[in-house]
Amino acid sequence: DGGITQSPKYLFRKEGQNVTLSCEQNLNHDAMYWYRQDPGQGLRLIYYSQIVNDFQKGDIAEGYSVSREKKESFPLTVTSAQKNPTAFYLCASSVPGQGAEQYFGPGTRLTVT
Amino acid sequence: AQSVTQPDIHITVSEGASLELRCNYSYGATPYLFWYVQSPGQGLQLLLKYFSGDTLVQGIKGFEAEFKRSQSSFNLRKPSVHWSDAAEYFCAVAPFSGGYNKLIFGAGTRLAVHP
Repeated sequence: DGGITQSPKYLFRKEGQNVTLSCEQNLNHDAMYWYRQDPGQGLRLIYYSQIVNDFQKGDIAEGYSVSREKKESFPLTVTSAQKNPTAFYLCASSVPGQGAEQYFGPGTRLTVT
Repeated sequence: AQSVTQPDIHITVSEGASLELRCNYSYGATPYLFWYVQSPGQGLQLLLKYFSGDTLVQGIKGFEAEFKRSQSSFNLRKPSVHWSDAAEYFCAVAPFSGGYNKLIFGAGTRLAVHP
């Protein structure tokens, strides 16, 4: 079955450490996205990539970095510069083009103490 | 600024009752419109979407939504709620943003279903 996998489901880190969240898709989608979800705030876009080796900042990119070396993979690194990293992180993918349905992974809950 | 408003943070209904979740958007032109559902600790699943044409859109799980241009609204409805519908519902818009598939989400409405 095609879909998006995110690992791990739960992640715990100490403050000051960088951490990388995995996102893999086998839907053959060119576009991939990272969102952050906080209670009562909906989803906010961190980064997006429309094609391999290219990515753009979203609305809340500060303290985060990404890479897109393969079509299937779009890992997100939460750096120590992110002031409030504890959140639920969702990865999504879609075919290119405005209005295309985005397919979401199951999410990773990151807790930083 | 482009925005999506879901006025109801929490809604509780009895099983078998009808449901309407409200969504209003602020945008100059008619954007693409979506409703997603999220079970606790899970990703989002698309319920339905509106691009153009018939303003009443049918989705999965017995949901439907009606687009009203004059009110900038895209409300989600279900005639008879099941206990399994308890989840969080997000309205989203995809404005015409010069090429990339940007989604703007509302803050969500959490639905509880009483037996």
